[in-house]
Amino acid sequence: GQNIDQPTEMTATEGAIVQINCTYQTSGFNGLFWYQQHAGEAPTFLSYNVLDGLEEKGRFSSFLSRSKGYSYLLLKELQMKDSASYLCAVMDSNYQLIWGAGTKLIIKP
Amino acid sequence: NAGVMQNPRHLVRRRGQEARLRCSPMKGHSHVYWYRQLPEEGLKFMVYLQKENIIDESGMPKERFSAEFPKEGPSILRIQQVVRGDSAAYFCASSPPQESSPLHFGNGTRLTVT
Repeated sequence: GQNIDQPTEMTATEGAIVQINCTYQTSGFNGLFWYQQHAGEAPTFLSYNVLDGLEEKGRFSSFLSRSKGYSYLLLKELQMKDSASYLCAVMDSNYQLIWGAGTKLIIKP
Repeated sequence: NAGVMQNPRHLVRRRGQEARLRCSPMKGHSHVYWYRQLPEEGLKFMVYLQKENIIDESGMPKERFSAEFPKEGPSILRIQQVVRGDSAAYFCASSPPQESSPLHFGNGTRLTVT
């Protein structure tokens, strides 16, 4: 079967750094996406990785290792507005998206 | 360039009634996806459509649920004879024809069945 694993919940302090991990087992791989979703709102696209390595976009970076079936989202200089759920999704060989259940990130002052 | 438009934003139906949820994709996007989300839970894929074609409906319940994306007009998710368990947020997303393109989500329709 296909599955995506990510922690259910994480807590971090304002101004700190947090790393949200995602491991996957899918039939084929055509890229991995990270989305942010605030409570009661739509998911918004953060990043896309298809090759191994780190993609940096401001305070957010995403890393991929295809051989390990592993990705992480790194958030730096955390702000209170970063409190949200972070969703990992993998595009399989049929270009269908397989979604993780999301990681709820709680930022404390 | 308007984003993905969903309406209504909130919908209240009594048990047994029909619910119709509409989604207009972003301009230039020909692929539409419908997802369902319960509070504190992840997105559950329901159906993937292109114009006039259902590509993948593996996530759709076999009864009462149907979806279409006509040549003209928005995509419609239709739920007949709603039950309390249908209460959820229903999100529509669209993407361009290019493979591996990110999905862009609408703000969702919150369906409440009383």
